[in-house]
Amino acid sequence: AQSVTQLGSHVSVSEGALVLLRCNYSSSVPPYLFWYVQYPNQGLQLLLKYTTGATLVKGINGFEAEFKKSETSFHLTKPSAHMSDAAEYFCAVSDRGSSYKLIFGSGTRLLVRP
Amino acid sequence: DAGITQSPRHKVTETGTPVTLRCHQTENHRYMYWYRQDPGHGLRLIHYSYGVKDTDKGEVSDGYSVSRSKTEDFLLTLESATSSQTSVYFCAISDGHTNTEAFFGQGTRLTVV
Repeated sequence: AQSVTQLGSHVSVSEGALVLLRCNYSSSVPPYLFWYVQYPNQGLQLLLKYTTGATLVKGINGFEAEFKKSETSFHLTKPSAHMSDAAEYFCAVSDRGSSYKLIFGSGTRLLVRP
Repeated sequence: DAGITQSPRHKVTETGTPVTLRCHQTENHRYMYWYRQDPGHGLRLIHYSYGVKDTDKGEVSDGYSVSRSKTEDFLLTLESATSSQTSVYFCAISDGHTNTEAFFGQGTRLTVV
């Protein structure tokens, strides 16, 4: 069965500092991987996705993630945090063999200190 | 933004009453999903649909039923609401082909008292 683990329910960084949000997955088939962001009282917005091809994927708002098969990881990074990045971030793996259902991690809340 | 509308956006109901949440899409996507979001659990799949009248259970389906009589509408019913079903419910859609990601609605906050 597929699963996703996000290390750290809360991550706090200073404005301008590197953002690193960790995600590890388990999957019996080559995965589709996603990062979503959720701002307060809103739905989920796609940040980026990995399906096939280049393992370093770039998303919106300066975020990127690297698919590392050997480590079963898909960590999210941003070189310089902005106050507007404060939100909750979810990593997800797609069950593409069965209706593309998404399996989510428990989420990481990013706090950005001035 | 993907055309997904959830209704109602907020609802307070009493234990034991039936509740129906509606998800309406204008994208003609094949797949539709209902998730619930609870602190510490991320989003968990309740039910999903892979076509009109084709539905299946997710990981937390007990106490919920769904129906999809038209491509654009996916209904989630709580037959007899319980306090454990207090949650935020999200509908999502996917075409499963060129766009493998799911697009999410704005959510419905349901409180069962």
